[in-house]
Amino acid sequence: AQSVTQPDIHITVSEGASLELRCNYSYGATPYLFWYVQSPGQGLQLLLKYFSGDTLVQGIKGFEAEFKRSQSSFNLRKPSVHWSDAAEYFCAVRGSGNTGKLIFGQGTTLQVKP
Amino acid sequence: GAGVSQSPRYKVAKRGQDVALRCDPISGHVSLFWYQQALGQGPEFLTYFQNEAQLDKSGLPSDRFFAERPEGSVSTLKIQRTQQEDSAVYLCASSLEGGGNTIYFGEGSWLTVV
Repeated sequence: AQSVTQPDIHITVSEGASLELRCNYSYGATPYLFWYVQSPGQGLQLLLKYFSGDTLVQGIKGFEAEFKRSQSSFNLRKPSVHWSDAAEYFCAVRGSGNTGKLIFGQGTTLQVKP
Repeated sequence: GAGVSQSPRYKVAKRGQDVALRCDPISGHVSLFWYQQALGQGPEFLTYFQNEAQLDKSGLPSDRFFAERPEGSVSTLKIQRTQQEDSAVYLCASSLEGGGNTIYFGEGSWLTVV
């Protein structure tokens, strides 16, 4: 069965520092992978997605993610974190079948120290 | 509308009460999804519509949960005889095409059962 694991429940970084959020997936075929961000009381906003091609994907707000098939990973990175990046981050994989439903990880809460 | 709109944003229900949650997807979007997000968890898939057809309801947790999209646009998620474990955020999402690759989420309906 497909699944997504985000090993870090909570991460704290200083403003201006680099960030990496980990995501591991379990999927039999070539996965479609996504990162979403959720601010308190808000819905989910798509940061970036990977379907095929270049394994380094650029997204909005200066985020990027790298797909590594050998490690079943799709880690999210940002070179310099801003205080406004504090939020909950979810990694997701598209489930099997043709509905397009997403399977999400548990999420990582990012706290940014001034 | 410009985005996925959900109402009510907040609902407090007494245990045993029936509730109805409404979703207005982005105009013209074929696919519509409902997800349930418990506190501190990632969203979990409930059901999927392609136009008015409910093609996947595998995530509905019990027969107390019912969803419809009779005219292929607005959708309603109904929960009968609510229980405390139904307390969660219910997220609606839509995408332009069937089996959509870019899914847009609403801000959610926060349900608290007391």
